Amino acid sequence: KNQVEQSPQSLIILEGKNCTLQCNYTVSPFSNLRWYKQDTGRGPVSLTIMTFSENTKSNGRYTATLDADTKQSSLHITASQLSDSASYICVVGKTSYDKVIFGPGTSLSVIP
Amino acid sequence: DTAVSQTPKYLVTQMGNDKSIKCEQNLGHDTMYWYKQDSKKFLKIMFSYNNKELIINETVPNRFSPKSPDKAHLNLHINSLELGDSAVYFCASSQASEPQHFGDGTRLSIL
Repeated sequence: KNQVEQSPQSLIILEGKNCTLQCNYTVSPFSNLRWYKQDTGRGPVSLTIMTFSENTKSNGRYTATLDADTKQSSLHITASQLSDSASYICVVGKTSYDKVIFGPGTSLSVIP
Repeated sequence: DTAVSQTPKYLVTQMGNDKSIKCEQNLGHDTMYWYKQDSKKFLKIMFSYNNKELIINETVPNRFSPKSPDKAHLNLHINSLELGDSAVYFCASSQASEPQHFGDGTRLSIL
């Protein structure tokens, strides 16, 4: 069964701290893995996309890793800011065309 | 300029009514999508069109009918609305395997 699981479900951290969000998937065949950020009341915005051969990708303070053997990915946020408060969604693509499976998201709250 | 725009942003209507949501993208993308996000925040794909041709049609009641007059537009028409249709509906577009660009959603509430 094609599934994407994320942990933790929610997370509260102090401004300036680092955090790591996890994603495990059982999607096959695997094409790519994406992390999206969804602010409240807005649509998701892409942070990173990685294919099978890539095991890390950075976008500013966001760094995503991918272990295609264990089917795990993580999103590391460095020096968190209040504006990082959002839902972070892991999305796995089955084909280059775009049959994608969304994870349930991790809700991150950054507090002063 | 808004890349993917959908209207209306809010839609409140009564059970049994028929309503439409419109979506337009100015990114020149070939593929457009409709997603439903329920109260648990899960995003589930409903439909995908590539160059006006339907390529993904998930298990969705046939009360939902997408229409793509051209590759920049993908509208969603819903007949005989039911309470369970209350959700946020997102339109998105993409080119090849690049990440999708999402609109800001249409919040549909059924009374």
